Amino acid sequence: ELKVEQNPLFLSMQEGKNYTIYCNYSTTSDRLYWYRQDPGKSLESLFVLLSNGAVKQEGRLMASLDTKARLSTLHITAAVHDLSATYFCAVDERNTGKLIFGQGTTLQVKP
Amino acid sequence: DTEVTQTPKHLVMGMTNKKSLKCEQHMGHRAMYWYKQKAKKPPELMFVYSYEKLSINESVPSRFSPECPNSSLLNLHLHALQPEDSALYLCASSQDAQQQANTEAFFGQGTRLTVV
Repeated sequence: ELKVEQNPLFLSMQEGKNYTIYCNYSTTSDRLYWYRQDPGKSLESLFVLLSNGAVKQEGRLMASLDTKARLSTLHITAAVHDLSATYFCAVDERNTGKLIFGQGTTLQVKP
Repeated sequence: DTEVTQTPKHLVMGMTNKKSLKCEQHMGHRAMYWYKQKAKKPPELMFVYSYEKLSINESVPSRFSPECPNSSLLNLHLHALQPEDSALYLCASSQDAQQQANTEAFFGQGTRLTVV
């Protein structure tokens, strides 16, 4: 059974600082996703990572995937308050059509 | 159009009521999903429809009854719910439920359900 673990679960950081959120998963998968969720809102797709070594960047966020280590990272550069949200990674379970989510990382960026 | 539309946005229902949640997409996606999300928790998969057939039921209680009338529509019929069923219900769709490139799931805005 595929398990997805994120850490940290809560992150409080100052504006302008850099930090990384980690996402580990337990079995082989071909696709990993990062989503953002604001309080009371739905999930916003940030990145889709499809292959080993994939790196994608959008603004202050950069995601990477290492399928051999079963690890994805979401790196935040020079954080701003607008990035405050909960970030989920999610992994496709092979051959079942299930999308398995990590616990989520709540990011709080303080001025 | 990359939109998944859910109605209603908010729903309050009594434990004896019958109500339905609706989800619609016009992206030509052949897989549709229902997720349940409690506060401060990740979404939990409930049902998967693939080509209008129910392919996954994650042992969901029978008071939740999904229906896929056609490839664009997904309903979730609710009956005799309990207060602990209060949650955000998310619908999603993707090109295909099985292994295939670019089957990214797009989520609707959700229905906030409160059972009283």
